[in-house]
Amino acid sequence: DGGITQSPKYLFRKEGQNVTLSCEQNLNHDAMYWYRQDPGQGLRLIYYSQIVNDFQKGDIAEGYSVSREKKESFPLTVTSAQKNPTAFYLCASSRGAGAPKTGELFFGEGSRLTVL
Amino acid sequence: RKEVEQDPGPFNVPEGATVAFNCTYSNSASQSFFWYRQDCRKEPKLLMSVYSSGNEDGRFTAQLNRASQYISLLIRDSKLSDSATYLCVVNIYAGNMLTFGGGTRLMVKP
Repeated sequence: DGGITQSPKYLFRKEGQNVTLSCEQNLNHDAMYWYRQDPGQGLRLIYYSQIVNDFQKGDIAEGYSVSREKKESFPLTVTSAQKNPTAFYLCASSRGAGAPKTGELFFGEGSRLTVL
Repeated sequence: RKEVEQDPGPFNVPEGATVAFNCTYSNSASQSFFWYRQDCRKEPKLLMSVYSSGNEDGRFTAQLNRASQYISLLIRDSKLSDSATYLCVVNIYAGNMLTFGGGTRLMVKP
């Protein structure tokens, strides 16, 4: 079955540590996105990538980094510079630039990060 | 002012009731509008697009009011399985990414 796989589902980290969240898709989608969701708030865009080897900052990119070396993969690193990293992280993909028109983002099941 | 605003709820309704949510958006030039559904601790999924003329999908009806800059979602004959958070999503700026509202929580009671 095609879809988006995020791992790990739950992650605990100590302050000052970097952590990398994995996102893999086999939908052959060009565009991939990372969102952050906090309780009672909407999704906020961290980074997005429309093609391999290219990515753009979203609204809240500070303290995060990404790479897009393969079409299928878009890992997110939460660095120690991120002041409040505890959140629910969602990876999504879309067929491409059509996402804003069609509205269809396909999401992974999310990664819940807790900083102790 | 937030770009996309929703009443967080919760809306508590009995089974069979009709319930409606509104969502306001700040930019009159916004192009596209959508409703997503998110179950507790799960990922969001596209429920339906919102077209200028209004559109219906079974028990769900979505409408757009450009003059007042809001979209609405009406659910008829509520089911227990409709309990979820409904996210309003807007393409605020043409060609840009989608902006999500904070969501409205619906709880349908037996």
